[in-house]
Amino acid sequence: SQTIHQWPATLVQPVGSPLSLECTVEGTSNPNLYWYRQAAGRGLQLLFYSVGIGQISSEVPQNLSASRPQDRQFILSSKKLLLSDSGFYLCAWSYDSPPRSQHFGDGTRLSIL
Amino acid sequence: AQSVTQLDSQVPVFEEAPVELRCNYSSSVSVYLFWYVQYPNQGLQLLLKYLSGSTLVKGINGFEAEFNKSQTSFHLRKPSVHISDTAEYFCAVSPGGSNYKLTFGKGTLLTVNP
Repeated sequence: SQTIHQWPATLVQPVGSPLSLECTVEGTSNPNLYWYRQAAGRGLQLLFYSVGIGQISSEVPQNLSASRPQDRQFILSSKKLLLSDSGFYLCAWSYDSPPRSQHFGDGTRLSIL
Repeated sequence: AQSVTQLDSQVPVFEEAPVELRCNYSSSVSVYLFWYVQYPNQGLQLLLKYLSGSTLVKGINGFEAEFNKSQTSFHLRKPSVHISDTAEYFCAVSPGGSNYKLTFGKGTLLTVNP
């Protein structure tokens, strides 16, 4: 069966510091991968998605970037964190065929001080 | 672009009472519809999905949802809730085809009281 792992579970970082969040999927090949941010009362905002190695689509201009160095690895990064980057970050995967139900990791709670 | 409206941000109910969480979406030729549940500090878990065929869809934990094309709705129901059903519920829609994205509603917090 397929599993998705995200780490760390919680992270506290100072403003201006770099960020690296990692997500890996096991038990499937060539998944679609997604990064979301969830702010309280605002639902989920899609940040990036990837349909293959090195293929990244950005949904919103912002202080973050994403990379997919391996088939089942998806990384969310920032060079300098802003206070507004605080939130709950979720990684998800789906098969490449419709309906592309997405399956989520347990998330990373990021607090910026 | 697709949009999803969850009409209630919070729904308080008593244990063993029935519940309905409402979801409306903007019209499209064809859509795939989903309900997810999120427990505190966890990711989202798929409850059920509508792809085609029967408009009544059964999911996990005793939940079901009915697709109504004329009203562009996909309401989630459970005949008798438990304390453990307390969570946030998200409705989502995908236009299908080559579109990879899910559009989520803002969520409904279901609180089940004893």
